[in-house]
Amino acid sequence: AQTVTQSQPEMSVQEAETVTLSCTYDTSESDYYLFWYKQPPSRQMILVIRQEAYKQQNATENRFSVNFQKAAKSFSLKISDSQLGDAAMYFCAYREDFGNEKLTFGTGTRLTIIP
Amino acid sequence: GAVVSQHPSWVICKSGTSVKIECRSLDFQATTMFWYRQFPKQSLMLMATSNEGSKATYEQGVEKDKFLINHASLTLSTLTVTSAHPEDSSFYICSAPGPTAPLHFGNGTRLTVT
Repeated sequence: AQTVTQSQPEMSVQEAETVTLSCTYDTSESDYYLFWYKQPPSRQMILVIRQEAYKQQNATENRFSVNFQKAAKSFSLKISDSQLGDAAMYFCAYREDFGNEKLTFGTGTRLTIIP
Repeated sequence: GAVVSQHPSWVICKSGTSVKIECRSLDFQATTMFWYRQFPKQSLMLMATSNEGSKATYEQGVEKDKFLINHASLTLSTLTVTSAHPEDSSFYICSAPGPTAPLHFGNGTRLTVT
């Protein structure tokens, strides 16, 4: 079974600075998807960024980028120019490539932004 | 954009009663919906996969007789917590694969069993 591990239960960063959240996963598959989701206090799940395993290029969405290391099974999220609105729980998630669209989530990292 | 509507957003019930939670895909059809459970300060754990027109698929350790899932149409899935007990108190979130995102999530239901 696939597992997703987030080793940082809590992180904090000064506003406007950069922070990196870690995620590792375990799978025997070669094709799959990885995601970062944000869950603010409202508890709505918001997709931050996605990465297809077959793509070598790291995904980027504005201030959010990932460092995808397939061999190491590592998928970290970098948030640049951190803003107060970035404060939330961040979950790393894994999905198989075909046939099953369910997500397996990591344990989450609570990100605090220091003004 | 595609929206998943979940109702109610919060519910309080007495121990021993049953509670139904609805999950609707508002502008797209969903043959599959996923039900997750989230305890405070914990991650989302998949409970079951709801399949339109057929039986739900439950994850290991989830009691199918306690958490009844019905997916009677392409836009509606329901989760019924039967004979609820305080340990069933949790945050329940539904989601569906949609046209604009890998999964569209409902806003969740906070269940408190007294």
